[in-house]
Amino acid sequence: QKEVEQDPGPLSVPEGAIVSLNCTYSNSAFQYFMWYRQYSRKGPELLMYTYSSGNKEDGRFTAQVDKSSKYISLFIRDSQPSDSATYLCAMNGKAAGNKLTFGGGTRVLVKP
Amino acid sequence: GAVVSQHPSRVICKSGTSVKIECRSLDFQATTMFWYRQFPKQSLMLMATSNEGSKATYEQGVEKDKFLINHASLTLSTLTVTSAHPEDSSFYICSARKSAPRQSGGHPAGQFFGPGTRLTVL
Repeated sequence: QKEVEQDPGPLSVPEGAIVSLNCTYSNSAFQYFMWYRQYSRKGPELLMYTYSSGNKEDGRFTAQVDKSSKYISLFIRDSQPSDSATYLCAMNGKAAGNKLTFGGGTRVLVKP
Repeated sequence: GAVVSQHPSRVICKSGTSVKIECRSLDFQATTMFWYRQFPKQSLMLMATSNEGSKATYEQGVEKDKFLINHASLTLSTLTVTSAHPEDSSFYICSARKSAPRQSGGHPAGQFFGPGTRLTVL
């Protein structure tokens, strides 16, 4: 079993819809929870990060972490075609060696 | 900002040759750099952690004699794929972490990724 599980998709939504992404994990030592966006043939770009449990909002993006369920989510409101990319969740923590552990990534396609 | 560059962005080589990939932090000093590889439609897999002035720490299953890492300065790390074979064809991505422990440590915002290098071995 992988430490971080993420549905590979693809997830296809119409423009303007809400995109809902999630990851589950098994290592309770993770403290930081991140979402990266990766366009084809490019490096990952950090979108948001959350420390421990809770919600965080940044513009059209909302990240949620539920440590009791070991479940994290990213919501993208008013999705745009430019949001079409692969979204990777990642986690780390001191007790986990401060190394980023990535999920497999979910490919998202926002259709105009 | 915090910009990380990689060179080359794409390289094609013959089987048996060696290829060097450079990772540079352009506007900050990076005590630690990380090297990842990514196969098509798969996630990033950490290969090694590179600390300036010391030997790299390799992840389990990564051959240190095949993937040579040198972190000679606070702004440059290199990955050399020696005697490359077609199965080494992949997307190699580096990331750099800012030197100040208070600013980075486990803090994700302190780690920045390069644009990646696509290696194709014929």
